[in-house]
Formats: sequence, C-alpha cells, structure tokens
Amino acid sequence: GQQLNQSPQSMFIQEGEDVSMNCTSSSIFNTWLWYKQDPGEGPVLLIALYKAGELTSNGRLTAQFGITRKDSFLNISASIPSDVGIYFCAGQLLGNNNDMRFGAGTRLTVKP
Amino acid sequence: DTAVSQTPKYLVTQMGNDKSIKCEQNLGHDTMYWYKQDSKKFLKIMFSYNNKELIINETVPNRFSPKSPDKAHLNLHINSLELGDSAVYFCASSLQGGGIQYFGAGTRLSVL
Repeated sequence: GQQLNQSPQSMFIQEGEDVSMNCTSSSIFNTWLWYKQDPGEGPVLLIALYKAGELTSNGRLTAQFGITRKDSFLNISASIPSDVGIYFCAGQLLGNNNDMRFGAGTRLTVKP
Repeated sequence: DTAVSQTPKYLVTQMGNDKSIKCEQNLGHDTMYWYKQDSKKFLKIMFSYNNKELIINETVPNRFSPKSPDKAHLNLHINSLELGDSAVYFCASSLQGGGIQYFGAGTRLSVL
C-alpha cells in the first residue's frame, strides 16, 4: 500500500507567493526525490536528497531531507506561472534498493 | 536525444484487443520500470526489471506482461484489454535498482 503521505493535495496561489509541500511516512527512507510533472509529460527530477538533514537548492526550489529520515519538504519561492504542475515526492526505503515509493502528488496552480 | 522514449504517445483501442507499448532508454541504465497513472494522477508501480530480476507488483493482472529483448528496451504487452485499463502508462529507467528514475513522456491508453 501507499506509505508516503504527501500534502497538500492541491494548492491555488498567486504569482509571486512562496509554496511549501511535504511528504511524511512511518517508514525510514535513505533517499528522497522530488519530481515535477507538466501536463502531457512524464515526471522530471527536480532535487535528490541522500542524507538526513541535507538541504539542497535548485534555483527557486529548496528541499530538505528530514532528520528522522521519515519526511521531506519542498519549498518554491516567488512562484511564477510555469511552476504549474503536479509535484511528486518519492522515497527509497531503507534496506530495500528496489523499492521506490511515490507520494500521491501536489497539484499546484499559479494565478497570474 | 530523448533519454527514455515510449511509443505510441496515444493509443485508442477496443475492449478485448491485445496491444503493446514500447520503451527504449539510451542512458545505459540497468533497471527499467513500468508505472500506471490513473485519473487521479496517482503513480502506481507495475514492474521493475533488470537482466537478473523481474519484480511484479502483485496487484497487476497477469494480462499485463513486460518483455525485454535487451537491456535498453522494456515493452509492455497487454492482453484482453478492459475499460479499467484506460490510463497513462509511464516507462522509467535507473542506473541501478532504487536509483534516480528517469521517465518517458507517457502513453495515454484509452479503451473503448
């Protein structure tokens, strides 16, 4: 079953606002990934996190690997219309190299 | 060059038909995957496969079968298509099992 709880499910924000979304789990992960899916396309990797506490930025995006290894968040600063899409977290379970789990996604809408 | 390519992008067919979706990756990756994305955009793993091991999600009907002619290809065959098979199917690959996955653009399957 689904082991990642991603929230919020959807967000409607104004251009220029900051956005925050997160994934939590009762399981421990050794890798956290954040993907973005544009309409009609496949998910594209935004940020990869490999160590507990790691904070990584990619332009206006910042993601952190939680200290407990059970959560991660993604922040987008100063949102722009092209940030619209679905954001997925994904985590590789500790001790299971073949098991990558995906969150249910956060659908982001940015109003100009 | 597209890293992970799938064909066709759109597939419309009748119930009961048999169809195939092709996937090729030029990244030199060892592991390939098939996902199903339903109307709620939830990504569900169907198969992961390298030249040593096929891992099947136990919830996938046996009408679905992956076939890999070589390391760079993992095709998806579907027999006796049903209405509930309508979805977007994504192929992905990673260097190793559990590593960062790179996705194709998806195949939108509509069963009438």
